[in-house]
Amino acid sequence: RKEVEQDPGPFNVPEGATVAFNCTYSNSASQSFFWYRQDCRKEPKLLMSVYSSGNEDGRFTAQLNRASQYISLLIRDSKLSDSATYLCVVNMKDSSYKLIFGSGTRLLVRP
Amino acid sequence: NAGVTQTPKFRILKIGQSMTLQCTQDMNHNYMYWYRQDPGMGLKLIYYSVGAGITDKGEVPNGYNVSRSTTEDFPLRLELAAPSQTSVYFCASSYGSHQATNEKLFFGSGTQLSVL
Repeated sequence: RKEVEQDPGPFNVPEGATVAFNCTYSNSASQSFFWYRQDCRKEPKLLMSVYSSGNEDGRFTAQLNRASQYISLLIRDSKLSDSATYLCVVNMKDSSYKLIFGSGTRLLVRP
Repeated sequence: NAGVTQTPKFRILKIGQSMTLQCTQDMNHNYMYWYRQDPGMGLKLIYYSVGAGITDKGEVPNGYNVSRSTTEDFPLRLELAAPSQTSVYFCASSYGSHQATNEKLFFGSGTQLSVL
Protein backbone atom coordinates (compact mmCIF):
# COMPACT_ATOMS: atom_id res chain seq x y z
CA ARG A 1 0.00 0.00 0.00
CA LYS A 2 1.31 3.46 -0.89
CA GLU A 3 2.02 5.74 2.04
CA VAL A 4 -0.09 8.52 0.51
CA GLU A 5 -2.70 7.86 -2.18
CA GLN A 6 -4.72 10.18 -4.37
CA ASP A 7 -7.11 9.78 -7.26
CA PRO A 8 -5.11 11.08 -10.25
CA GLY A 9 -8.22 12.47 -12.00
CA PRO A 10 -8.54 14.54 -14.04
CA PHE A 11 -11.58 16.13 -12.50
CA ASN A 12 -13.17 18.15 -15.29
CA VAL A 13 -15.68 20.67 -13.91
CA PRO A 14 -17.41 23.82 -15.16
CA GLU A 15 -16.68 27.22 -13.70
CA GLY A 16 -18.65 27.79 -10.52
CA ALA A 17 -18.84 24.12 -9.61
CA THR A 18 -17.91 22.64 -6.26
CA VAL A 19 -15.34 19.87 -6.36
CA ALA A 20 -13.75 17.72 -3.66
CA PHE A 21 -10.66 15.56 -3.53
CA ASN A 22 -9.65 12.96 -0.99
CA CYS A 23 -6.26 11.66 0.01
CA THR A 24 -5.62 8.57 2.15
CA TYR A 25 -2.51 7.91 4.24
CA SER A 26 -1.21 4.68 5.69
CA ASN A 27 0.65 5.75 8.82
CA SER A 28 -1.77 6.31 11.68
CA ALA A 29 0.97 8.17 13.59
CA SER A 30 1.14 10.93 10.97
CA GLN A 31 0.58 14.31 12.55
CA SER A 32 0.91 16.96 9.88
CA PHE A 33 -1.04 17.26 6.67
CA PHE A 34 -0.96 19.72 3.81
CA TRP A 35 -2.38 20.49 0.40
CA TYR A 36 0.02 21.86 -2.21
CA ARG A 37 -0.83 23.20 -5.61
CA GLN A 38 1.37 22.59 -8.63
CA ASP A 39 0.95 24.31 -11.94
CA CYS A 40 2.33 22.68 -15.07
CA ARG A 41 6.14 22.61 -15.09
CA LYS A 42 6.32 24.70 -11.92
CA GLU A 43 7.34 23.99 -8.36
CA PRO A 44 4.67 23.02 -5.81
CA LYS A 45 3.38 25.77 -3.56
CA LEU A 46 1.60 25.42 -0.26
CA LEU A 47 -2.16 25.88 -0.59
CA MET A 48 -3.08 25.18 3.02
CA SER A 49 -2.24 23.16 6.06
CA VAL A 50 -4.88 20.77 7.37
CA TYR A 51 -5.78 21.06 11.03
CA SER A 52 -7.59 18.51 13.17
CA SER A 53 -10.66 20.70 13.50
CA GLY A 54 -10.78 21.45 9.78
CA ASN A 55 -9.97 24.81 8.31
CA GLU A 56 -11.16 27.16 5.63
CA ASP A 57 -9.40 29.71 3.47
CA GLY A 58 -11.77 31.58 1.21
CA ARG A 59 -13.23 29.09 -1.28
CA PHE A 60 -11.05 26.26 0.00
CA THR A 61 -11.90 23.95 2.90
CA ALA A 62 -9.64 21.23 4.22
CA GLN A 63 -10.68 18.47 6.59
CA LEU A 64 -8.97 15.62 8.41
CA ASN A 65 -10.55 12.30 9.31
CA ARG A 66 -8.12 10.46 11.57
CA ALA A 67 -10.37 7.46 12.13
CA SER A 68 -10.48 6.70 8.41
CA GLN A 69 -7.03 8.15 7.73
CA TYR A 70 -7.86 10.57 5.01
CA ILE A 71 -7.81 14.28 4.33
CA SER A 72 -10.02 16.18 1.93
CA LEU A 73 -9.97 19.41 -0.03
CA LEU A 74 -13.17 21.13 -1.09
CA ILE A 75 -13.14 23.93 -3.65
CA ARG A 76 -16.28 26.02 -3.99
CA ASP A 77 -17.17 28.30 -6.90
CA SER A 78 -14.35 26.93 -9.09
CA LYS A 79 -12.39 29.41 -11.18
CA LEU A 80 -10.48 28.79 -14.39
CA SER A 81 -7.35 29.70 -12.44
CA ASP A 82 -7.94 26.76 -10.09
CA SER A 83 -6.88 24.39 -12.88
CA ALA A 84 -3.77 22.69 -11.52
CA THR A 85 -2.60 19.52 -9.83
CA TYR A 86 -3.31 19.29 -6.11
CA LEU A 87 -0.79 17.37 -4.06
CA CYS A 88 -1.51 15.82 -0.70
CA VAL A 89 1.48 15.88 1.68
CA VAL A 90 1.85 13.98 4.93
CA ASN A 91 4.55 14.12 7.57
CA MET A 92 5.51 10.50 8.22
CA LYS A 93 6.67 10.90 11.78
CA ASP A 94 7.81 7.39 12.51
CA SER A 95 11.50 7.04 13.26
CA SER A 96 12.47 9.83 10.92
CA TYR A 97 11.27 13.17 9.72
CA LYS A 98 10.15 13.38 6.15
CA LEU A 99 7.33 14.79 4.11
CA ILE A 100 5.75 12.35 1.68
CA PHE A 101 3.82 13.53 -1.38
CA GLY A 102 0.89 11.90 -3.04
CA SER A 103 1.00 11.67 -6.83
CA GLY A 104 -1.55 14.45 -7.15
CA THR A 105 -5.07 15.03 -8.39
CA ARG A 106 -5.44 17.00 -11.59
CA LEU A 107 -8.24 19.55 -11.79
CA LEU A 108 -9.45 21.10 -15.04
CA VAL A 109 -11.98 23.92 -14.77
CA ARG A 110 -13.68 24.68 -18.08
CA PRO A 111 -15.51 27.88 -19.09
CA ASN B 1 15.77 37.24 0.34
CA ALA B 2 16.07 34.79 -2.55
CA GLY B 3 14.48 31.76 -0.86
CA VAL B 4 15.61 28.46 -2.39
CA THR B 5 17.88 28.71 -5.41
CA GLN B 6 18.58 25.74 -7.67
CA THR B 7 21.03 25.51 -10.51
CA PRO B 8 21.11 24.62 -13.34
CA LYS B 9 17.55 24.90 -14.67
CA PHE B 10 18.18 22.48 -17.53
CA ARG B 11 20.87 19.92 -18.27
CA ILE B 12 21.44 17.12 -20.72
CA LEU B 13 23.85 14.38 -19.71
CA LYS B 14 25.25 11.39 -21.51
CA ILE B 15 25.00 7.98 -19.87
CA GLY B 16 27.82 7.54 -17.38
CA GLN B 17 28.55 11.24 -16.90
CA SER B 18 28.40 12.82 -13.49
CA MET B 19 27.08 16.14 -12.28
CA THR B 20 26.09 18.07 -9.19
CA LEU B 21 22.79 19.87 -8.78
CA GLN B 22 23.28 22.88 -6.56
CA CYS B 23 20.77 24.05 -3.97
CA THR B 24 21.10 26.90 -1.53
CA GLN B 25 18.66 28.63 0.79
CA ASP B 26 18.98 31.89 2.69
CA MET B 27 16.15 31.41 5.19
CA ASN B 28 18.29 29.66 7.82
CA HIS B 29 16.10 26.56 7.53
CA ASN B 30 17.22 23.43 9.32
CA TYR B 31 15.58 20.95 6.98
CA MET B 32 16.38 20.47 3.33
CA TYR B 33 15.11 17.93 0.82
CA TRP B 34 15.70 16.64 -2.67
CA TYR B 35 12.75 15.33 -4.63
CA ARG B 36 12.40 14.00 -8.14
CA GLN B 37 9.23 14.14 -10.19
CA ASP B 38 8.71 11.93 -13.18
CA PRO B 39 6.15 12.94 -15.83
CA GLY B 40 2.58 12.66 -14.53
CA MET B 41 3.79 11.44 -11.16
CA GLY B 42 4.13 12.82 -7.67
CA LEU B 43 7.32 13.85 -5.96
CA LYS B 44 9.59 11.13 -4.64
CA LEU B 45 11.98 11.92 -1.81
CA ILE B 46 15.60 11.17 -2.69
CA TYR B 47 17.50 12.44 0.35
CA TYR B 48 16.85 14.82 3.16
CA SER B 49 18.79 16.59 5.88
CA VAL B 50 17.71 17.81 9.29
CA GLY B 51 20.76 20.00 9.81
CA ALA B 52 24.36 20.60 8.83
CA GLY B 53 26.34 17.36 8.86
CA ILE B 54 23.23 15.14 8.95
CA THR B 55 21.70 13.46 5.92
CA ASP B 56 19.40 10.51 5.44
CA LYS B 57 17.93 8.46 2.63
CA GLY B 58 14.46 8.99 1.32
CA GLU B 59 12.37 6.69 -0.86
CA VAL B 60 14.61 6.59 -3.97
CA PRO B 61 18.27 7.25 -2.97
CA ASN B 62 20.03 4.81 -5.32
CA GLY B 63 22.34 6.51 -7.79
CA TYR B 64 22.56 9.73 -5.79
CA ASN B 65 24.66 11.23 -3.03
CA VAL B 66 24.29 14.35 -0.92
CA SER B 67 26.24 16.35 1.58
CA ARG B 68 25.30 19.09 4.02
CA SER B 69 28.44 20.90 5.12
CA THR B 70 26.60 24.15 5.83
CA THR B 71 23.06 25.11 6.77
CA GLU B 72 22.62 26.93 3.46
CA ASP B 73 23.80 24.36 0.91
CA PHE B 74 22.55 20.90 0.02
CA PRO B 75 24.04 19.68 -3.28
CA LEU B 76 22.85 16.50 -4.99
CA ARG B 77 25.43 14.42 -6.83
CA LEU B 78 24.80 11.98 -9.67
CA GLU B 79 27.90 9.84 -10.16
CA LEU B 80 27.02 7.65 -13.15
CA ALA B 81 24.03 9.09 -14.93
CA ALA B 82 21.48 6.61 -16.25
CA PRO B 83 18.38 7.15 -18.43
CA SER B 84 16.23 6.24 -15.42
CA GLN B 85 17.42 9.45 -13.78
CA THR B 86 15.74 11.59 -16.41
CA SER B 87 13.37 13.65 -14.32
CA VAL B 88 12.63 17.04 -12.84
CA TYR B 89 14.48 17.60 -9.58
CA PHE B 90 13.23 19.90 -6.86
CA CYS B 91 15.14 21.08 -3.85
CA ALA B 92 13.12 22.28 -0.87
CA SER B 93 13.65 23.55 2.63
CA SER B 94 11.61 24.05 5.76
CA TYR B 95 12.19 25.43 9.21
CA GLY B 96 11.06 22.10 10.58
CA SER B 97 9.47 21.48 13.89
CA HIS B 98 6.68 19.48 15.41
CA GLN B 99 4.26 22.29 14.75
CA ALA B 100 2.49 22.07 11.44
CA THR B 101 2.69 25.81 10.86
CA ASN B 102 6.46 25.64 10.74
CA GLU B 103 6.69 22.79 8.28
CA LYS B 104 5.83 24.70 5.12
CA LEU B 105 8.10 23.60 2.29
CA PHE B 106 9.76 26.24 0.16
CA PHE B 107 10.75 24.89 -3.23
CA GLY B 108 13.35 25.85 -5.73
CA SER B 109 12.18 26.28 -9.32
CA GLY B 110 13.44 22.87 -10.37
CA THR B 111 16.07 21.31 -12.62
CA GLN B 112 14.99 19.46 -15.72
CA LEU B 113 17.54 16.71 -16.34
CA SER B 114 17.70 14.46 -19.38
CA VAL B 115 20.09 11.52 -19.59
CA LEU B 116 20.60 10.26 -23.14
